[in-house]
Amino acid sequence: QQQVKQSPQSLIVQKGGISIINCAYENTAFDYFPWYQQFPGKGPALLIAIRPDVSEKKEGRFTISFNKSAKQFSLHIMDSQPGDSATYFCAASKAGGYQKVTFGTGTKLQVIP
Amino acid sequence: GAGVSQTPSNKVTEKGKYVELRCDPISGHTALYWYRQSLGQGPEFLIYFQGTGAADDSGLPNDRFFAVRPEGSVSTLKIQRTERGDSAVYLCASSTDLNSPLHFGNGTRLTVT
Repeated sequence: QQQVKQSPQSLIVQKGGISIINCAYENTAFDYFPWYQQFPGKGPALLIAIRPDVSEKKEGRFTISFNKSAKQFSLHIMDSQPGDSATYFCAASKAGGYQKVTFGTGTKLQVIP
Repeated sequence: GAGVSQTPSNKVTEKGKYVELRCDPISGHTALYWYRQSLGQGPEFLIYFQGTGAADDSGLPNDRFFAVRPEGSVSTLKIQRTERGDSAVYLCASSTDLNSPLHFGNGTRLTVT
């Protein structure tokens, strides 16, 4: 049972463009939504996270938009750079406890010069 | 400081053999997790330790998989009678406490031939 659905599977964006990755979740008990960035041969690294009491969170060029009623959230990467080329995973877990994180299937982003 | 260290980085074994995968968490991190990442997928939760005890092992796929953390620091994931379907990257993560971000190691790539 896939509890966090992620799209697209892959994405090609020109340098300076906006990269958008979408996710949807099913379990209404989830209340912590992190995004992870993973480079080849490396483990995932936390990029940015949001809790459902806010609709948007911005950190530098990265913004999470959250729609609680639709059970959807998305990552926007502004001014995308070739160094952003990586696989991005949305994820969800229950806050207030240990991090039994449910990951999406990943989006492979390629930013071309 | 040093991050989460996993050894070996690669392990090739024959079907039916026993393997041990080691994780050295960040010093002082009390929470330790094992995740498994199959090719083209997001990581999947296997087991969580708080201190020396396995607080949640609900993600272990079957009784061939076992993990220990005898002194509350280093952890070993043990797989008996390996099968080709066990081939994946096994990721270890640690955190300072329950709500702190996960710090992942680079994983052990296990290939069962």
